[in-house]
Amino acid sequence: GESVGLHLPTLSVQEGDNSIINCAYSNSASDYFIWYKQESGKGPQFIIDIRSNMDKRQGQRVTVLLNKTVKHLSLQIAATQPGDSAVYFCAENGGYGNNRLAFGKGNQVVVIP
Amino acid sequence: DAGITQSPRHKVTETGTPVTLRCHQTENHRYMYWYRQDPGHGLRLIHYSYGVKDTDKGEVSDGYSVSRSKTEDFLLTLESATSSQTSVYFCAIGLGNEQFFGPGTRLTVL
Repeated sequence: GESVGLHLPTLSVQEGDNSIINCAYSNSASDYFIWYKQESGKGPQFIIDIRSNMDKRQGQRVTVLLNKTVKHLSLQIAATQPGDSAVYFCAENGGYGNNRLAFGKGNQVVVIP
Repeated sequence: DAGITQSPRHKVTETGTPVTLRCHQTENHRYMYWYRQDPGHGLRLIHYSYGVKDTDKGEVSDGYSVSRSKTEDFLLTLESATSSQTSVYFCAIGLGNEQFFGPGTRLTVL
């Protein structure tokens, strides 16, 4: 697989602690949002999604929060594990049609054992 | 990688040469996308396809062309590669609003 040295904001978190990753989206027309995880050397991997008619959605160890008022999205990872070390980025559909997405630049999460 | 393969996985080429990257899916999805990923940028859409022989431009389409002659294959061509096209290229397939990505191709243009 491939990855890019993206020179991204980095969040260092102790193993077992909770992580919070933030994303500001730009398009008020967006009604669907996705969080992706990209491990070193791999393509982006779908984690969780949320629609604009929801404020919160939970998955396994992950929770996504949506604040449409300030156009802010967050991803919370509970009990962070070494395997959670990756780049995380959000995507919005922006009303583009044809299922197109616009992607944020991402945040690097480094889990300290 | 959701039944998506990309070839080649790595390529080094020289400025001015043509390059074709291939994306192959086994999922029979209608939508396919080509992105590039560069430091300081998120994934940027180059071209996409919404069916066989149906394609459209993305935000960074200059210098690239695509073709989709059958559902499973989506080709990205750099007619005359430039150093600014050095990047990691990802193909994705669309299922509903979700997109699933291939493993990527690292292209270096010298």
